[in-house]
Amino acid sequence: GENVEQHPSTLSVQEGDSAVIKCTYSDSASNYFPWYKQELGKGPQLIIDIRSNVGEKKDQRIAVTLNKTAKHFSLHITETQPEDSAVYFCAASSGDNLFFGTGTRLTVIP
Amino acid sequence: DAGVIQSPRHEVTEMGQEVTLRCKPISGHNSLFWYRQTMMRGLELLIYFNNNVPIDDSGMPEDRFSAKMPNASFSTLKIQPSEPRDSAVYFCASSLGQYNSPLHFGNGTRLTVT
Repeated sequence: GENVEQHPSTLSVQEGDSAVIKCTYSDSASNYFPWYKQELGKGPQLIIDIRSNVGEKKDQRIAVTLNKTAKHFSLHITETQPEDSAVYFCAASSGDNLFFGTGTRLTVIP
Repeated sequence: DAGVIQSPRHEVTEMGQEVTLRCKPISGHNSLFWYRQTMMRGLELLIYFNNNVPIDDSGMPEDRFSAKMPNASFSTLKIQPSEPRDSAVYFCASSLGQYNSPLHFGNGTRLTVT
């Protein structure tokens, strides 16, 4: 089955700096890659997703890149703000299942 | 839309008791998922319904766990009898598609079994 690895497990950045979270996957059939943000006491919320027919997608300060050859995808957050502090999960799906990474706890220091 | 609604938000029970968790998906969504989240195992899929029919229950830990979806607007996850190792946060999520569609999660039920 699919194996999704996520790094780093924790990340601290100064407000205004950029943050990058990386994930790798093993199943070459995976074609859908969402990213979720989970704040304390809440459920994960989708922040951006990408499908295998594109290499990059951007939404304001958030971008995701996908390298299908290398089987890795990354989340980029620019101009970080304190409200970006949360746990971020990547995931990968081939359509038959959805596998989550183990999460990255991002702390933005004011 | 109010989003996915789960109840109760917190449940504390003694070992051996029956626990029922409830979920109301977003209206119009045809897929519903139950997940369990723990520090050790992360987010685990327990069961997936499509059009009220259980499609994949391979994640249900054992016979003590059961889930139902009697109609498009309601689902339950039952644990009987409960054990301390069942302590976790249980999430319900719904979507318009299957695994390769965005999931909308509720805010979860934190279950503590003593």
